[in-house]
Amino acid sequence: QKEVEQNSGPLSVPEGAIASLNCTYSDRVSQSFFWYRQYSGKSPELIMSIYSNGDKEDGRFTAQLNKASQYVSLLIRDSQPSDSATYLCASAGDSGYSTLTFGKGTMLLVSP
Amino acid sequence: DVKVTQSSRYLVKRTGEKVFLECVQDMDHENMFWYRQDPGLGLRLIYFSYDVKMKEKGDIPEGYSVSREKKERFSLILESASTNQTSMYLCATLKGVSYEQYFGPGTRLTVT
Repeated sequence: QKEVEQNSGPLSVPEGAIASLNCTYSDRVSQSFFWYRQYSGKSPELIMSIYSNGDKEDGRFTAQLNKASQYVSLLIRDSQPSDSATYLCASAGDSGYSTLTFGKGTMLLVSP
Repeated sequence: DVKVTQSSRYLVKRTGEKVFLECVQDMDHENMFWYRQDPGLGLRLIYFSYDVKMKEKGDIPEGYSVSREKKERFSLILESASTNQTSMYLCATLKGVSYEQYFGPGTRLTVT
């Protein structure tokens, strides 16, 4: 059974701080990893994709992947109250079908 | 930009009714998915389709069926709605070999 594990939170950070969200996955053949942001009552929105070990930066967001440790993280620099949302981590393997395995999400609260 | 639309944002149905949820995408993506999302349970895959007239069961297909007669349209059918099918239903499409999934706005279904 493929699993993606996330701490449910909430993770509380003050405005302007760095928020660090973490995720571990069980399927060693997973090759692709994603972070989605989901505001309350809304659908998930893709914010980052990462496919190789190391860091990938996009604006205030940095995704980090360590396949040896089966670990993915998302750093949000200069956190804003508008970043308050639930962040879902997802992985895709080499199953032949294009399905993703999602974690249950970490709630992030950024206080002004 | 990928556009995924769903037929209704909110829907209220009675127990035993047949319910149709429609999803339409405009990006010519091969793969389409139906999920439901419930508090504490995360996203759960109901069915997916990788081509017209093709369908595969996800993790929780019981009580549901799907139809994909055209590439851009993927319908979820609740044959006889029950109260335990009250949920947020999310449609998604997948972009080529990147495994990136894009979600529609969701339909919040209440079965009374």
